[in-house]
Amino acid sequence: DAKTTQPPSMDCAEGRAANLPCNHSTISGNEYVYWYRQIHSQGPQYIIHGLKNNETNEMASLIITEDRKSSTLILPHATLRDTAVYYCIVSGGDFGNEKLTFGTGTRLTIIP
Amino acid sequence: DAGITQSPRHKVTETGTPVTLRCHQTENHRYMYWYRQDPGHGLRLIHYSYGVKDTDKGEVSDGYSVSRSKTEDFLLTLESATSSQTSVYFCAISGTRQNTEAFFGQGTRLTVV
Repeated sequence: DAKTTQPPSMDCAEGRAANLPCNHSTISGNEYVYWYRQIHSQGPQYIIHGLKNNETNEMASLIITEDRKSSTLILPHATLRDTAVYYCIVSGGDFGNEKLTFGTGTRLTIIP
Repeated sequence: DAGITQSPRHKVTETGTPVTLRCHQTENHRYMYWYRQDPGHGLRLIHYSYGVKDTDKGEVSDGYSVSRSKTEDFLLTLESATSSQTSVYFCAISGTRQNTEAFFGQGTRLTVV
């Protein structure tokens, strides 16, 4: 399984775009990049995932570099409710969701 | 929100007693998962199921067993609870094995004293 590296913490001003980086230099060609977040002690919440192309949904955008060795999750207009731990996960190939490996993630704090 | 219900939400039990946690879903999803979350470890997979009566071990399966007799229910049993099993337990479901999101329940906080 490809491993990911994320900064342990980040701050972002309310209303600004929050850009969360993730390195996954050992990703395989058929592995996806997933992002989840966990608000306080709730269950993790799916945000977005992608393979090669950039993806956007109502919550966020996912930018994957051309070599696929890193990605950035963008929350376009951060609010206080976006304060959470964000997990970048690489999974796929021969494995499915049984290999979703949640590390320690990035603790994002939105500052009023 | 996906229809996932975990019960109980909180439980305190004594060392050596059996404990069963229940995960119930109303989404008719094939795949179900049990995770535990401890400080400094993120979420770790205990067991998962890929269909009725079809289960497999995850990363930290020792001391746990599971059963799935119906699509909607996935039970996690601690045969003889130990203090090291004090944790927050999350159930998750997904419709397919790959290229899809997993939906998580709200968690069960288990304390073994």
